[in-house]
Formats: sequence, structure tokens, C-alpha cells
Amino acid sequence: EAGVAQSPRYKIIEKRQSVAFWCNPISGHATLYWYQQILGQGPKLLIQFQNNGVVDDSQLPKDRFSAERLKGVDSTLKIQPAKLEDSAVYLCASSPWLADGNTEAFFGQGTRLTVV
Amino acid sequence: DQQVKQNSPSLSVQEGRISILNCDYTNSMFDYFLWYKKYPAEGPTFLISISSIKDKNEDGRFTVFLNKSAKHLSLHIVPSQPGDSAVYFCAASGANSKLTFGKGITLSVRP
Repeated sequence: EAGVAQSPRYKIIEKRQSVAFWCNPISGHATLYWYQQILGQGPKLLIQFQNNGVVDDSQLPKDRFSAERLKGVDSTLKIQPAKLEDSAVYLCASSPWLADGNTEAFFGQGTRLTVV
Repeated sequence: DQQVKQNSPSLSVQEGRISILNCDYTNSMFDYFLWYKKYPAEGPTFLISISSIKDKNEDGRFTVFLNKSAKHLSLHIVPSQPGDSAVYFCAASGANSKLTFGKGITLSVRP
């Protein structure tokens, strides 16, 4: 079974530029997550999709971050314009949908973003 | 507001001994708890989980204990091996499958 695919693996941009990350979840997984992990901290949820609908985006900085999951499969996360504090690893994860919510999420390798 | 807390940033143990990693949570709506392991330059990988209706779950060398009244869980690794050296994240979720992570603890197993 193929895992969660993310691209690119690394990205370096200047502040105020824009950047986009792509994620292809495990086939059949209804739930897709984007997490931001700053060095020395745990992953922080940015947005959670259930199929192509947003379940939670309460911690997404909506003035500069956007995400979409058209057709309920792959997803893109965009930052425009980037700030220095956006330097982090961006992790995509997916999980199957279960009624009781008790399921583990499977993570991709992440995209390391450096804003200079 | 940190809902999942891993207060110790690091732990060092001798190979063959027990590793005990601790985690506390504050949100009483959490009903499912997970441990993830992360190597450098890789994404977190699922290790073991426990539902709130249980107080113990075992999988080989890994055992997770849950104390709901204390809002505390722990991961025991016995015996510890050098390949277990990694960052371990505690995570918790409620009804909507939203995973909230702690800051992680770096485990070093000395040969």
C-alpha cells in the first residue's frame, strides 16, 4: 500500500514570496490533515478535511494560508505572502473515517520550508 | 493553551532497561490516545494507541498505560534497544478525529 506522498521535500523562498505544497493521501482515506511543525515543537494542526469539506481550520492563519482538497482526494496548501516565522516542516497526514473517530493518522515525509 | 503536555524534553536509558515516557492532558473530551515515533527527516509513524475505555494496551515491547482520573498516560518500552532512539510524540483525539500533539520527548538508548 502506497503511503502519503508529499512534494516538494524542501523549499527555500524569500519572505513575501508565495509557495505551495502538494499532498496525495492514502487511497480511500476520507480524512486529510495539514500540520505545521516548528523546530522543537509538536505538530500543530492547520486544517482538517473530511472528503472535500473542512472539519477544522481554527488554527489556520487565513490572511496568508489557504488550502483546498478538490474532489476529496489530493490537497494543496498555499502560503502567500510568506513570513520568516513560517519556516517549519509542513506535514500532511490521512486517516480512514471511522464513526467513533478512533483511528490513527498516517503521515507523509513532510516539506521543510525555509523562509529567508 | 497546551492540551497535551510532555514535560520532559529528553530521556536517556541503557540498552536493555525500561524506558518510561510520560504524557499529561487537560481536555476531558479526549477519548483516544496515541504515541508516534519520529526519526530525523521523516514523518511521524504510528506506534501504539489506547481507547479511554481501557487502562492498558500492549504490543510487543511497547505498553501504554492510561490513568483517566489523573489525565495521564505513559509509554513503556521493555527492553529498550538502540534503534528505539527517536523523538516520541504523545497525541490525543476526540470525536472529530482531530489529533492534538505534545511537544515530544527525545529518547536516547545507550548501547
